[in-house]
Parts: sequence; structure tokens; C-alpha cells
Amino acid sequence: QQQVKQSPQSLIVQKGGIPIINCAYENTAFDYFPWYQQFPGKGPALLIAIRPDVSEKKEGRFTISFNKSAKQFSLHIMDSQPGDSATYFCAAKYQGAQKLVFGQGTRLTINP
Amino acid sequence: EAGVAQSPRYKIIEKRQSVAFWCNPISGHATLYWYQQILGQGPKLLIQFQNNGVVDDSQLPKDRFSAERLKGVDSTLKIQPAKLEDSAVYLCASSKSSGATNEKLFFGSGTQLSVL
Repeated sequence: QQQVKQSPQSLIVQKGGIPIINCAYENTAFDYFPWYQQFPGKGPALLIAIRPDVSEKKEGRFTISFNKSAKQFSLHIMDSQPGDSATYFCAAKYQGAQKLVFGQGTRLTINP
Repeated sequence: EAGVAQSPRYKIIEKRQSVAFWCNPISGHATLYWYQQILGQGPKLLIQFQNNGVVDDSQLPKDRFSAERLKGVDSTLKIQPAKLEDSAVYLCASSKSSGATNEKLFFGSGTQLSVL
């Protein structure tokens, strides 16, 4: 059972474009939603995160939009660069625990 | 600050053999996690330690996988005997265990296991 569903599986965008990656969840016991970035041969690294009582969070070129009623959240990358090419994972954390549940991942390619 | 250290980097074994992975978390991090990442999928938690005690091992295939963190610092994950479907990257992560909702997990680079 996939607790966090992520789409698309892969995405190709031209430099300067705005890739959008979407995630959906069912379990209302989640209280924290981080996004991780993973480069080949490396472990995932925290990129940005949001709590469900906030509708939007922005850090640099990265923005999370959160829709609590729809149980959906998305990552937007402004002015995307070839260096942003990586696999992105959304995740969700159970309230009262540190355990993370990850989405399937999106392989993002930014063409020059 | 040194990151999470894992070894070996790569391991190739034949099915039914045994294998062990080692992880040294960031100094002072009380919580240690082992995740399994199958190609094309997100990481899946296998086991979580708080100091040297197990917090969550609900998704650990206990008939073949075992893990220990005897002194509450470094940890070893073992597979015996390995199956073809165990081919994956095994990621170790650690966190401070502050209890905060936004506690950050730090991942190592992983051990890539190929079972032939």
C-alpha cells in the first residue's frame, strides 16, 4: 500500500522552466511533509519541508504548496537550472514519531 | 561536521550468501535508521534505533535480516541468506532525537548491494 503517491515518475524541463512535482496522501496522522533531493550515488538530502497548518513555504527557488483539505502537496522549482537535475522524493512523517514514509520519486532532468 | 559514514560502498554476492553493512552516524545523534531503496522506488524504513534500543522494526524481514546497535553508536545490518529481491541500496540515516516535529534526518551515501 503506497501511503504517499508521487507523480510524475519522470520530468524533463528546459532551463528556466518551472517543474512541478505532486504528492498525495491519505493518512491524517502525518504532521510533517519534507522533500528530499537525491543525486546519483548519494543519499537523499533534505531540501525543504512544510507543516500541514501552512499553505505555502518558500526557500530560495523552491516552493511547497500544501492543500490540507485535498491531502495534496507539491514542489515547484523556479528558474530551474541543469544543476537541479536529480531525483526528488516527497515524504510524510507520522505524528509523534520520526519515521518517514517516502513517495516513489521523480527523476527530474533540466536541459540547458 | 562529519556526515553519516557507511561501508562498504558496493557489494556483490550470490543468492543464499550472507552480507553485512556498517554505519557510523553523526556524532551525538541518538536515533539511527536503516532504509532500503530498491531501484526506481523511494526509501523504505527497515529499522529504527533510539540509542541501542529498537523503536520500529515492523518492516524488517526478520527471517533473514538482523540489525544491532550494541553501544548506541555505530550499527550493523546483516542479511542471511540473501535473495535476489534484496538487491537494493541500503541507506543509513541519523537524527538528534530532539523530539521536534521538524527533526532533520541525515543520510549516508548508502551501500549498493547486488545479489546474483
